[in-house]
Amino acid sequence: EADIYQTPRYLVIGTGKKITLECSQTMGHDKMYWYQQDPGMELHLIHYSYGVNSTEKGDLSSESTVSRIRTEHFPLTLESARPSHTSQYLCASQTAGGFSQFFGPGTRLTVL
Amino acid sequence: AQSVTQLGSHVSVSEGALVLLRCNYSSSVPPYLFWYVQYPNQGLQLLLKYTSAATLVKGINGFEAEFKKSETSFHLTKPSAHMSDAAEYFCAVSETGNQFYFGTGTSLTVIP
Repeated sequence: EADIYQTPRYLVIGTGKKITLECSQTMGHDKMYWYQQDPGMELHLIHYSYGVNSTEKGDLSSESTVSRIRTEHFPLTLESARPSHTSQYLCASQTAGGFSQFFGPGTRLTVL
Repeated sequence: AQSVTQLGSHVSVSEGALVLLRCNYSSSVPPYLFWYVQYPNQGLQLLLKYTSAATLVKGINGFEAEFKKSETSFHLTKPSAHMSDAAEYFCAVSETGNQFYFGTGTSLTVIP
């Protein structure tokens, strides 16, 4: 079944830890995105990729990094988590010529 | 610059009543416009999109939206609210179909 997956769904960690949020899609989409979502706020684009070995930073300044070694996989890494990173992180994918973004279920991160 | 304004962070309607969620956009070129719905603990799901074809766009679950260039609006409507419509709704704009800018969301409550 074509879908987009995110793991873990929930994560509680201590300050200073390194974490990787996983995102995988089985739709063969070239474009992938990471958004940060906080209550009452618009979604903020933090990283995006238009294909393998292509990554760009979004509008929101972020201390995270991403990689795109395979089409289906777009992990996001925080080298040293801080309480300010507490948020929901949404991954999305999109076909090269299409206008619709497909979203994963999100990872809710809490940094203590 | 692209942006979206959603008027009313919370909207309550009675079951069976008209649903109207407002969205105004700012764009320097003819935009692509979208409405997404988010249920608790889930990602965003595309309701409908406007990509420069018909100005009245029909989506899933009985929702529709009308693109009004003169008013820079893309309001979402549904003639009769159902309990299952209770969710968060996001309007989004894109000038290129690559990067998307989301509003702050409107939480819809349906009163039985």
